[in-house]
Amino acid sequence: SAVISQKPSRDICQRGTSLTIQCQVDSQVTMMFWYRQQPGQSLTLIATANQGSEATYESGFVIDKFPISRPNLTFSTLTVSNMSPEDSSIYLCSVESDRGDRGGNIQYFGAGTRLSVL
Amino acid sequence: AQKITQTQPGMFVQEKEAVTLDCTYDTSDPSYGLFWYKQPSSGEMIFLIYQGSYDQQNATEGRYSLNFQKARKSANLVISASQLGDSAMYFCAMREGQGYSTLTFGKGTMLLVSP
Repeated sequence: SAVISQKPSRDICQRGTSLTIQCQVDSQVTMMFWYRQQPGQSLTLIATANQGSEATYESGFVIDKFPISRPNLTFSTLTVSNMSPEDSSIYLCSVESDRGDRGGNIQYFGAGTRLSVL
Repeated sequence: AQKITQTQPGMFVQEKEAVTLDCTYDTSDPSYGLFWYKQPSSGEMIFLIYQGSYDQQNATEGRYSLNFQKARKSANLVISASQLGDSAMYFCAMREGQGYSTLTFGKGTMLLVSP
C-alpha cells in the first residue's frame, strides 16, 4: 500500500486568507485525488491531479478557488483560496495503488487536513 | 438516483459480537469495484476491504468480510468479534469501469461498540 503524508493535519484560519495543503507519497503515482468532507457529510471529489497537466475539476469546484499543483509523481498541493466559514471541512488527498496478486486498484488516503475558518 | 446507499445512519453492537453494515449500489457498468473504509474520529480514511465485480468469492480481510450479492446489488460489510476500537464511521464506495476512475461514497454508518 502507498504511504501518504499530508500536512498540515489541522489549521484554524481567518476569513479571506488562503491555505496550502501538501500531500507527499512514498512512491510514484500517476494520479492523485483531492476530496472535501464537510462536517457530518460524506466525501466529495474536488479534482484529479495528473503530473504535468492541469487538474480536472468536478462540478461545483473551480480552479480559482482550489488551485492544485502537481510538480512531480510523488507530490501535490491543494490551495483553498479566499476562505470563508463554509470552507471549514476535512480535506483529504488520495492515490491509487495496485495490490498486485491480491487484485484491484485501491485508493489510499492521507490522514487529512482539518480546516476551520473563522 | 444515488449510486451508493447506506441506510443505517447508526449501529450499536456489543463487544465480541458480529455486526453487518448495509450497502447497496447502482450501476449499469459490468466492471466495477466496491470498497469499505473506516474513519475514526481522527479523520483519516482507512481502507478495509475491496470486492471486484468479477470476483467469484466474497472478499475477506481478517475480521472483515464482504457479503457480495451481485443480483441484489448489495455489498454489506460484516465485522466479526467487534472490538471497542471498531467504533468509527464506515463508508461504502464504488468505482465504475476499469483503469483509473474516481470513487463515489455513500453517506456512511456510525458504528458504536459498547463493552
